[in-house]
Amino acid sequence: DAGVIQSPRHEVTEMGQEVTLRCKPISGHDYLFWYRQTMMRGLELLIYFNNNVPIDDSGMPEDRFSAKMPNASFSTLKIQPSEPRDSAVYFCASSLGSTGAQYFGPGTRLTVL
Amino acid sequence: QKEVEQNSGPLSVPEGAIASLNCTYSDRGSQSFFWYRQYSGKSPELIMSIYSNGDKEDGRFTAQLNKASQYVSLLIRDSQPSDSATYLCAVKGNYGQNFVFGPGTRLSVLP
Repeated sequence: DAGVIQSPRHEVTEMGQEVTLRCKPISGHDYLFWYRQTMMRGLELLIYFNNNVPIDDSGMPEDRFSAKMPNASFSTLKIQPSEPRDSAVYFCASSLGSTGAQYFGPGTRLTVL
Repeated sequence: QKEVEQNSGPLSVPEGAIASLNCTYSDRGSQSFFWYRQYSGKSPELIMSIYSNGDKEDGRFTAQLNKASQYVSLLIRDSQPSDSATYLCAVKGNYGQNFVFGPGTRLSVLP
């Protein structure tokens, strides 16, 4: 079975541009998570969805960040406008029900110049 | 504020030795505990989950949980250079799906 799929794997953009990160969770999983990882702050949960509905977005750093999950097999994380401090690796993860174990995608390395 | 703490390391052990990684957590209501391994430049990979007090073994890995002491550990027997990575402890509370990850411990297994 395919794992969590993320695209693009690398993104380099200039400050002020819009960035869209994409994620396809493992088929059948009902929870989807977006994380950001930096050396300074480690792995931070940004937002998570259950059955396509956003449950907790308290980790989203500011209004420049938004996330959607239009269906069970696709989610996006958008940053508009992007800033250099947004440079990080962004991970998507999914899990099934109450088992709680999360499975991570390969990540998107974002560089904002 | 829910917190998960780990020694940042690096923890260096010789090949063939036992590596012991420790994690403490602050939320006494936590119910599920996970260990992830992350190689440099890669994503976290689930190694083990543990839900009940005691030990859980899977191959060379043993997870130990003590809820009274709010402590979870991971032992790696017969450590190999390929075990060199950062090990992340993750704790899930009693409600919702929020994981709290520790900062990770960097393990270096020396040939």
